[in-house]
Amino acid sequence: DAKTTQPTSMDCAEGRAANLPCNHSTISGNEYVYWYRQIHSQGPQYIIHGLKNNETNEMASLIITEDRKSSTLILPHATLRDTAVYYCIVRGPFNQAGTALIFGKGTTLSVSS
Amino acid sequence: NAGVMQNPRHLVRRRGQEARLRCSPMKGHSHVYWYRQLPEEGLKFMVYLQKENIIDESGMPKERFSAEFPKEGPSILRIQQVVRGDSAAYFCASSSQSRGTGELFFGEGSRLTVL
Repeated sequence: DAKTTQPTSMDCAEGRAANLPCNHSTISGNEYVYWYRQIHSQGPQYIIHGLKNNETNEMASLIITEDRKSSTLILPHATLRDTAVYYCIVRGPFNQAGTALIFGKGTTLSVSS
Repeated sequence: NAGVMQNPRHLVRRRGQEARLRCSPMKGHSHVYWYRQLPEEGLKFMVYLQKENIIDESGMPKERFSAEFPKEGPSILRIQQVVRGDSAAYFCASSSQSRGTGELFFGEGSRLTVL
């Protein structure tokens, strides 16, 4: 079962920042927070991940609270093409049994003009 | 998603036939994961393989499903005696790291339709 809780859906106006929250109150000290998205029925796309510190790349920013029990994915200037299901996933650091990415239901983000 | 190649993209089978789905990981990647997505449902982990080894098959159905990742060639997900409930999108992902964070890169999926 997924170790995260996300809102079912969110709306965002084009050009505005989209802030997607995620709760992971049972996260362990060595577990990372990953974000993926799935646009329509395409293959999931990696967005960003982090352990403790805030992270930023060309796609998004990841803000992790100090106690690591929650995080927020920020898309700074949402476009229509950002409409997708966004998955927040907690996962251990090693590629071994029991550390596969487990997808929950995610948040359906709808960006409108 | 660039780099992980799955084929066929679409496959139609009649009940009782066999389905073989192939996945070529990104260059240099030796870890492969298979996921299944039923219509209108989420992604479900099936199996994780490294070259010639099954590491985690906790999500694989006990019967009719098998997976391999030989030393040479693509990873194969094989479904024997398909039933209508097997109709789904099957996604493959690859990863390059055995330690560290090892983000997964997904292919575009193979869509199986069982008539």
